Amino acid sequence: KAGVTQTPRYLIKTRGQQVTLSCSPISGHRSVSWYQQTPGQGLQFLFEYFSETQRNKGNFPGRFSGRQFSNSRSEMNVSTLELGDSALYLCASSLIRSSGASTDTQYFGPGTRLTVL
Amino acid sequence: AQTVTQSQPEMSVQEAETVTLSCTYDTSESNYYLFWYKQPPSRQMILVIRQEAYKQQNATENRFSVNFQKAAKSFSLKISDSQLGDTAMYFCALGSGSRLTFGEGTQLTVNP
Repeated sequence: KAGVTQTPRYLIKTRGQQVTLSCSPISGHRSVSWYQQTPGQGLQFLFEYFSETQRNKGNFPGRFSGRQFSNSRSEMNVSTLELGDSALYLCASSLIRSSGASTDTQYFGPGTRLTVL
Repeated sequence: AQTVTQSQPEMSVQEAETVTLSCTYDTSESNYYLFWYKQPPSRQMILVIRQEAYKQQNATENRFSVNFQKAAKSFSLKISDSQLGDTAMYFCALGSGSRLTFGEGTQLTVNP
């Protein structure tokens, strides 16, 4: 099976702009989670989508949003970019067998490196 | 709140030797999972090993094994017969529900 794919791999934006990142999960995986990785804060959970619904959300401002489509592909959007949003954004998918299931192994994509100038 | 602590920012080991990476965690959840991921210079996060908290038996995966001490909330990773390709940042992670909480990471360097 193909792994998790993320596009684009690299992005350069300026402050105030907005950006959309895309993630395609492993075939059959219904849950997609997003993480932000920075040298200062480490890896932090942004949100998780399952069956087109946001099921869990981390402690990030409303400028960070996401959505999931019927084919489980997910996008995350960051509006009004700030310098501190520069980070590696990682997407992970997992095979959640039912809406009530708890943790399953998350498999990560290669990430999108966002630089805000 | 859940926390994961990795107290060793950097470690090094000679090729073919054994090394142990430490991890402690804290959670009030009764149903959770523990993971070790590695992140080589390519930045691709790769699953190394997984442990279900309800299982007493320690997980093993080829050269990788864990020492899971539930009462002590400790979850260490042992790498046997270290190889140059094991050089990477290693992250301990606690999974509860759909969220992973990561430690700060341990940079492991395998020397020839």
